[in-house]
Amino acid sequence: DGGITQSPKYLFRKEGQNVTLSCEQNLNHDAMYWYRQDPGQGLRLIYYSQIVNDFQKGDIAEGYSVSREKKESFPLTVTSAQKNPTAFYLCASSIDREGNQPQHFGDGTRLSIL
Amino acid sequence: AQSVSQHNHHVILSEAASLELGCNYSYGGTVNLFWYVQYPGQHLQLLLKYFSGDPLVKGIKGFEAEFIKSKFSFNLRKPSVQWSDTAEYFCAVTASGGYNKLIFGAGTRLAVHP
Repeated sequence: DGGITQSPKYLFRKEGQNVTLSCEQNLNHDAMYWYRQDPGQGLRLIYYSQIVNDFQKGDIAEGYSVSREKKESFPLTVTSAQKNPTAFYLCASSIDREGNQPQHFGDGTRLSIL
Repeated sequence: AQSVSQHNHHVILSEAASLELGCNYSYGGTVNLFWYVQYPGQHLQLLLKYFSGDPLVKGIKGFEAEFIKSKFSFNLRKPSVQWSDTAEYFCAVTASGGYNKLIFGAGTRLAVHP
């Protein structure tokens, strides 16, 4: 079945450590997104990519980095510069880059600090 | 800046009660509107969407929403809720023709008691 796969489901980070969250999609979608979900705040956009080898900052990009070397993959690195990384991270994709089609979401990765 | 407001953070209902969840957005241009639902332990999924045409939109599982342009609102309704509707509901907006940047509301957590 087509869909979005995020791994791992749970991740723990030590102080000063960079960690990478995986997001893979087999939907042949051009656009991919990373959101952070915090209780009572809904989802906030971290980074998005409308096409391979291109990505843009969202509303809360500080302390995060991404790459888009392949159409199906959009990994997110949470760097040591992100001082409050504990959250639920959601990856999404869309066939449409321009807001005219809904986004499809993965199951998420829950990141916690050790 | 665009924003989405959901008026109720927590709603508790008994089965068969009627549901209305409020959603207002701030954006002066043409928008696409969405309601997403996140059932416990599941990924975020699309409940319904409005792009154009009839402002009364019907979604899955008996949900509907009405777009009232003059009020910048897109309220979600269901005449008779079931225990299985227990979930978190998110209203979201993208600017039509934009780059598919979803702006989410903070979410409403609905608990339905049998």
